[in-house]
Amino acid sequence: GDSVTQMEGPVTLSEEAFLTINCTYTATGYPSLFWYVQYPGEGLQLLLKATKADDKGSNKGFEATYRKETTSFHLEKGSVQVSDSAVYFCALSDEAGGTSYGKLTFGQGTILTVHP
Amino acid sequence: DGGITQSPKYLFRKEGQNVTLSCEQNLNHDAMYWYRQDPGQGLRLIYYSQIVNDFQKGDIAEGYSVSREKKESFPLTVTSAQKNPTAFYLCASRFQETQYFGPGTRLLVL
Repeated sequence: GDSVTQMEGPVTLSEEAFLTINCTYTATGYPSLFWYVQYPGEGLQLLLKATKADDKGSNKGFEATYRKETTSFHLEKGSVQVSDSAVYFCALSDEAGGTSYGKLTFGQGTILTVHP
Repeated sequence: DGGITQSPKYLFRKEGQNVTLSCEQNLNHDAMYWYRQDPGQGLRLIYYSQIVNDFQKGDIAEGYSVSREKKESFPLTVTSAQKNPTAFYLCASRFQETQYFGPGTRLLVL
């Protein structure tokens, strides 16, 4: 079945440091890939997405590129802020339609803490 | 203001009691989902519905039930058969390939 593996956390950085959170996946077909962010006590917010190979998703200074050859979707940000402290989830969606139903498969999440 | 609402924010369950978590959306999305989140883990799918009056079990449906009588609403009942219900429950709806989440309900056992 489909699976998503995220780098183990937690990750602790100083403000303005460079961030990479690794994500690799296993899936059949052509999944869509997502990064979601969760702040304490809240639901998940969509951070960015990519729906086909070589697409780059970007939002709020975060970027991730859909690499089919390495089955990866690593999250990067050039300069993190204290307000970026949260839990980050990588996820993939099987293709909706036919016998599929757009199910999301999540990684276990990576806790990011940014210090001033 | 479009979005997904979940209520209550916190819910307490006594032994042997059924409780129902509310999920409402005004986004006009057909598909809706319920997930369970445990500390330090990703989300696991409980039930999903692709259209009104239709729903299917997800990966961890035992001890849960749902209904989908209206497009806007997808309530989840945690039954007494669910022996470990303490978790954070998240509802989502889908447009094209993307799911959008509500703020969640935290269920605690007394």
